[in-house]
Amino acid sequence: DAGVIQSPRHEVTEMGQEVTLRCKPISGHDYLFWYRQTMMRGLELLIYFNNNVPIDDSGMPEDRFSAKMPNASFSTLKIQPSEPRDSAVYFCASSLDGGQGLAKNIQYFGAGTRLSVL
Amino acid sequence: AQKVTQAQTEISVVEKEDVTLDCVYETRDTTYYLFWYKQPPSGELVFLIRRNSFDEQNEISGRYSWNFQKSTSSFNFTITASQVVDSAVYFCALSEAGRTAGNKLTFGGGTRVLVKP
Repeated sequence: DAGVIQSPRHEVTEMGQEVTLRCKPISGHDYLFWYRQTMMRGLELLIYFNNNVPIDDSGMPEDRFSAKMPNASFSTLKIQPSEPRDSAVYFCASSLDGGQGLAKNIQYFGAGTRLSVL
Repeated sequence: AQKVTQAQTEISVVEKEDVTLDCVYETRDTTYYLFWYKQPPSGELVFLIRRNSFDEQNEISGRYSWNFQKSTSSFNFTITASQVVDSAVYFCALSEAGRTAGNKLTFGGGTRVLVKP
């Protein structure tokens, strides 16, 4: 089975431009997560969805960031306008709720998108 | 709030030496999961192991083993007979286990392991 697929792998853009990162979760998974990794802050959760519905966006840094999940097989993370401090690696992950009172709770990560904002 | 601390920022060993990575966590939850992930130089995050808080049995899987001690809130990870391909950053992570928890992961800062030939 294919894993979590992210595109693009690398994105270089200029300050002020709109950036859209894409993610295709593992088929059948009902949770989707967006993380950001920087040297200063490490890995931090931005937002997560359950069954396509945003559950917790408390990690989204500011209004310039938005995320959508229009269907079970696709999600986007958009930054508009982008700033140099947004430069980071953005990871998407998905997991499956195994039911029976406890989640299966293993997140599988995509290869990440390395974003550079000049 | 949950917190994961990996005090070792970098470990350097010679091939075939054992490497033990320390992880200490804080949580108010009585039921939770602990994880180790590996991030090789290529950048992807690879799931290695998961442990339930109610199961303190320590296990060995190939060259990997882990020591979970609830009394000290520690979840240490050992690579036996290290190889150059083990060079990577290793992350310890913690998540709640309830159905409404959303599987949110809290990561430690990571430990960079360098295995020299």
